[in-house]
Amino acid sequence: LAKTTQPISMDSYEGQEVNITCSHNNIATNDYITWYQQFPSQGPRFIIQGYKTKVTNEVASLFIPADRKSSTLSLPRVSLSDTAVYYCLVAPLTGGGNKLTFGTGTQLKVEL
Amino acid sequence: DSGVTQTPKHLITATGQRVTLRCSPRSGDLSVYWYQQSLDQGLQFLIQYYNGEERAKGNILERFSAQQFPDLHSELNLSSLELGDSALYFCASSPNSPGDNEQFFGPGTRLTVL
Repeated sequence: LAKTTQPISMDSYEGQEVNITCSHNNIATNDYITWYQQFPSQGPRFIIQGYKTKVTNEVASLFIPADRKSSTLSLPRVSLSDTAVYYCLVAPLTGGGNKLTFGTGTQLKVEL
Repeated sequence: DSGVTQTPKHLITATGQRVTLRCSPRSGDLSVYWYQQSLDQGLQFLIQYYNGEERAKGNILERFSAQQFPDLHSELNLSSLELGDSALYFCASSPNSPGDNEQFFGPGTRLTVL
């Protein structure tokens, strides 16, 4: 299993860029990297997904180095509403099985 | 609103009892996933169904079972409940077509076992 390791928590101020790194040394060839955001007592929400290099959408960027053993979620100019838990999930597109278990995530706290 | 619905929102029951949690996926999604989230824990994958068939299994206890019906809604049955089963149970759905496995999560069912 491609076990993932993330920081337990991070603090930031509004307007700053936040980078959250996830380590996944045992990532398999057919695994994709997906990031989710979760607010208290709500279900997780998809943020971004990638396989290699860089992916960008309207809310975040995902940087994946060539060896794919880590990935970095970049949130530009965070606001108070970005305070949440962020999960890195490494699993194939189908048949993920136990790889679909999310880790404990990174608690991001954004302050004024 | 993700389009995934779960009922009930809250459930309080006693040890030894049996409960059924219900999930309706987004329109058109064939895959349904069940997750358990205990206090301050990550989401533990339980089981996945695809178009009525079991597709993948996680660390689901033998006391737990699930099924997906022809109309694609799914039910998670939890029996002989223990205090440690108290948790948030999330259902998610996805199209699960090639290249599209983004999961859409429901609001969850909070189960309290007393």
